Amino acid sequence: DTAVSQTPKYLVTQMGNDKSIKCEQNLGHDTMYWYKQDSKKFLKIMFSYNNKELIINETVPNRFSPKSPDKAHLNLHINSLELGDSAVYFCASSQPATEQYFGPGTRLTVT
Amino acid sequence: GESVGLHLPTLSVQEGDNSIINCAYSNSASDYFIWYKQESGKGPQFIIDIRSNMDKRQGQRVTVLLNKTVKHLSLQIAATQPGDSAVYFCAENRSGATNKLIFGTGTLLAVQP
Repeated sequence: DTAVSQTPKYLVTQMGNDKSIKCEQNLGHDTMYWYKQDSKKFLKIMFSYNNKELIINETVPNRFSPKSPDKAHLNLHINSLELGDSAVYFCASSQPATEQYFGPGTRLTVT
Repeated sequence: GESVGLHLPTLSVQEGDNSIINCAYSNSASDYFIWYKQESGKGPQFIIDIRSNMDKRQGQRVTVLLNKTVKHLSLQIAATQPGDSAVYFCAENRSGATNKLIFGTGTLLAVQP
């Protein structure tokens, strides 16, 4: 199936740990994104890469580091996890100035 | 699943009725708008989009209306079905070059059989 996929779907970890979430798209899109959705369903852009180049970097703690090994992958690494990082993280992809296609989400729970 | 105590604006409609979900946007420079549907436990799913040079666009059972004068966007769903039950988000593109989307707070559509 052509889609945006994320792993893992659920991630439960303790404060202070470092974790990564992986994202892959096989839609041939040039641009990929990471969003955070909080418990109130508010969805906010974190990062965007276009052809492996960072183009959006919102006010996000530097504990969050995106990495794009190629234009089909955008991974999110989080250091020193905090309770407030608990959320659902969505990866998305698009072509320029068109609709974004979202992955199924990764529910991160920090205890 | 849904969080306990989640208080989204909610629209409750009977199956078969038409639904209208409204959204106000803030940036008059935004030139591209999208409606997304998010079912419980899933990612947002594209429904329909509209560019600022249009005021109406129709899809299958859905219509988006754009009023730039009052910065208002609406999504109309005809003959609402139980499968339409979800949270609906509007999003505005404030920066065409980066395709940065700003999402609204979301509206929960509850379809009563």
